[in-house]
Amino acid sequence: GAVVSQHPSWVICKSGTSVKIECRSLDFQATTMFWYRQFPKQSLMLMATSNEGSKATYEQGVEKDKFLINHASLTLSTLTVTSAHPEDSSFYICSARVLAYSYNEQFFGPGTRLTVL
Amino acid sequence: AQSVTQPDIHITVSEGASLELRCNYSYGATPYLFWYVQSPGQGLQLLLKYFSGDTLVQGIKGFEAEFKRSQSSFNLRKPSVHWSDAAEYFCAVVLRGLTGGGNKLTFGTGTQLKVEL
Repeated sequence: GAVVSQHPSWVICKSGTSVKIECRSLDFQATTMFWYRQFPKQSLMLMATSNEGSKATYEQGVEKDKFLINHASLTLSTLTVTSAHPEDSSFYICSARVLAYSYNEQFFGPGTRLTVL
Repeated sequence: AQSVTQPDIHITVSEGASLELRCNYSYGATPYLFWYVQSPGQGLQLLLKYFSGDTLVQGIKGFEAEFKRSQSSFNLRKPSVHWSDAAEYFCAVVLRGLTGGGNKLTFGTGTQLKVEL
């Protein structure tokens, strides 16, 4: 089946620094990737949708300048948390889908645990 | 308001017992319906999905779900639970008829399943 990887699986950083999380589709080309945020004991909240080669579409309330998303190739999307603060600590999950304009199954990465001190 | 509801935050069952996890949705039209399972350290895995047709859907790992239009429900069931089924379960929907950025998953709040040996 389709595999999505994330790197790193966990990261601890100091407040004010930036952190980059990579999401890769290993055995398929993903025209669309999604980034979710999950707080403990809560559901996944969609942060943004990115299509390869174009700007990401952010959900309401998500700061685009804080959460920079780059989808430079069909197999890689990155999420950069800029000037991270403790409230950004969360579990970040990416998913990838093959076709942008019809429903196809989304494949999820294992997630990245971010802790900001 | 449009929503996906999982009324049970936690459920505990004995190994070998039957299981039913509830999911209700509130949308103007029947959405596409999904059940995902999330185990610690692993990405979300699709258990099953309903698009149309037979309202009883078979999935992986012995799970099934039944779509009931009159109740706006899509409950997940398993006849005999195994200890390895302990995980977080999410119901999710995708609205029909939307493409591009509207074609995205909305998750319920999740149900944590504990299995007693």
